[in-house]
Amino acid sequence: IVLTQSPGTLSLSPGERVTLSCRASQNVGNNYLAWYQQRPGQAPRLLIYDASRWATGIPDRFSGSGSGTDFTLTISRLEPEDFAVYYCHQYAISPLTFGGGTKVEIK
Amino acid sequence: QITLKESGPTLVKPTQTLTLTCTLSGISLSASGVGVHWIRQPPGKALEWLALTYWNEGERYSSSLERRLAITKDPAENQVVLTMTNMDPVDTATYYCGYSNGWLVHNWGQGTLVTVSS
Repeated sequence: IVLTQSPGTLSLSPGERVTLSCRASQNVGNNYLAWYQQRPGQAPRLLIYDASRWATGIPDRFSGSGSGTDFTLTISRLEPEDFAVYYCHQYAISPLTFGGGTKVEIK
Repeated sequence: QITLKESGPTLVKPTQTLTLTCTLSGISLSASGVGVHWIRQPPGKALEWLALTYWNEGERYSSSLERRLAITKDPAENQVVLTMTNMDPVDTATYYCGYSNGWLVHNWGQGTLVTVSS
């Protein structure tokens, strides 16, 4: 399954709302779609799994939605620590795959 | 708390074989539902999934790299080893191992940067 993320880069200010898109080339069974955040120099961190479930300790300003082939990650109000790269990932079918990432940068 | 740590060479020459070790702490590799993945990230680029060894269901590999990869488990040492043959400069990347319960990667190691250069 090929995952296409858009846009590639977003330039935003703290406090703004952001919506990231992930489109799959075929149906993601059981909505086994996750979102990861990666800050510079760090390993990725799991935010959302099963398309809409929060991972442990993730604040509720992050939310995931979607099903089938179209998925969205929304950050309701950007905090300074949210400026990072976000990856979607499908774990429904082998080989597992990641999207190309969306960078959220400070405007 | 489940933690993972990658270890291996930081520099390999073209055509050599890379061997990386992932040491798992806080959970047994033999436990039900435990999986360990390898994922890499070239500098400034996206994540690329490489391989998975999952509980009692064997191994899975990236389609494009399958012929060069092997993932094995050492339950006695609680370690997972990845070998990649015929290394090339384009394989320069940070290599991560990750723990999953099922196929979802929950926890990541800190990563290890491997440079391929003569």
